Amino acid sequence: DQQVKQNSPSLSVQEGRISILNCDYTNSMFDYFLWYKKYPAEGPTFLISISSIKDKNEDGRFTVFLNKSAKHLSLHIVPSQPGDSAVYFCAASEGSSNTGKLIFGQGTTLQVKP
Amino acid sequence: DTGVSQNPRHKITKRGQNVTFRCDPISEHNRLYWYRQTLGQGPEFLTYFQNEAQLEKSRLLSDRFSAERPKGSFSTLEIQRTEQGDSAMYLCASRSNRGKAGNTIYFGEGSWLTVV
Repeated sequence: DQQVKQNSPSLSVQEGRISILNCDYTNSMFDYFLWYKKYPAEGPTFLISISSIKDKNEDGRFTVFLNKSAKHLSLHIVPSQPGDSAVYFCAASEGSSNTGKLIFGQGTTLQVKP
Repeated sequence: DTGVSQNPRHKITKRGQNVTFRCDPISEHNRLYWYRQTLGQGPEFLTYFQNEAQLEKSRLLSDRFSAERPKGSFSTLEIQRTEQGDSAMYLCASRSNRGKAGNTIYFGEGSWLTVV
């Protein structure tokens, strides 16, 4: 039972263009969502998050959009840079559980071409 | 460096041997998590501590796995009688319990286990 899904295993974009990574979830109790970036042989690095009371959060080149009715979120990277090439994981947590544990998607590998 | 620290970073062991990983969380983070990640998958939750209390364990955590956090600071994850299926990256993460900062979990660099 995959509660968080990233249906695109990979994405390739040209440097300077927009990268859009998508994520869907099934559990309506999720109320906090995060994006992590991961390089090979390293742990995930926190990028940006959004609470379910918001529909957009922006931090520099990174913007996360949340559509609760569609149970969908997306990460926009503008402009994309070669250093953004990595695996991106979407994660969700259920506030009522109080553990704060995260449920992750399978990841999307982003390649930004110079 | 005040991030989450894990060691060893890499471990190769023979099937049937025991291995232990250590995690030092971010100072003053009272919540500590262990995750496992295999190739092509996202991290999967294994277990969670609040201070020294282990409050939740995943079904993934078989009885060959044991985790401790004896003084509410560092944690260890031991795998007994390792099997080839245990080969994965074991990730430790920690989180504050305070306010807005408490919503974000920070990961260490992981410990790679290869069982041969």
